[in-house]
Amino acid sequence: EVQLVESGGGLVQPGGSLRLSCAASGFTLSDYYMSWVRQAPGKGLEWVANINQDGSTKYYLDSVRGRFTISRDNAKNSLYLQMNSLRAEDTAVYYCARDVVGLGLGDWGQGTLVTVSS
Amino acid sequence: DIVMTQTPLSSPVTLGQPASISCRSSQSLVHSDGNTYLSWLQQRPGQPPRLLIYKISNRFSGVPDRFSGSGAGTDFTLKISRVEAEDVGVYYCTQATQFPSYTFGQGTKLEIK
Repeated sequence: EVQLVESGGGLVQPGGSLRLSCAASGFTLSDYYMSWVRQAPGKGLEWVANINQDGSTKYYLDSVRGRFTISRDNAKNSLYLQMNSLRAEDTAVYYCARDVVGLGLGDWGQGTLVTVSS
Repeated sequence: DIVMTQTPLSSPVTLGQPASISCRSSQSLVHSDGNTYLSWLQQRPGQPPRLLIYKISNRFSGVPDRFSGSGAGTDFTLKISRVEAEDVGVYYCTQATQFPSYTFGQGTKLEIK
């Protein structure tokens, strides 16, 4: 059974940093692209970033490029999102999701809440 | 970027009755490989999103056959043949034709009358 478990969310001040983790199990992480998707409170879904199988290629939403860094450690079955220079508008539940060729975002974690506030 | 527009944004439905949600993209979702990467997600209250339909009309594993998808090019529809209480939630269309980036519709809230 595919499982994705996010952690690392919390309350952070504007301008601060946070590192999210996603622990993957039930499949071979190194076979898949992986994505981060966020959802602001009461709002819709917004794709944030993704990374290819070996971590050599990364893509970002324009509004987070230069502030967020996606990475992975296939040996540890983990995906990460380093978030710097956080803004109030980054407040959201952050989900990690498995990109399945031909299907899109086929599996999702439960999410971790990031709140940016003073 | 491709913009996805859903209608309606809210849909009150009677249990046992059908429901339909439309999704329009700002440009064709036909990929150069000939496939159309249009998917539908369901998000029940307090839950993460769940994949329902991929490539317009293919049901994901475990999805009941009362859910169906149709459409082509820029216009797509999700239909529920007979709404059940567990179908309450928000439904999103999403495109992966511009993979590796994804865009989503605004979401349609399905509620019981």
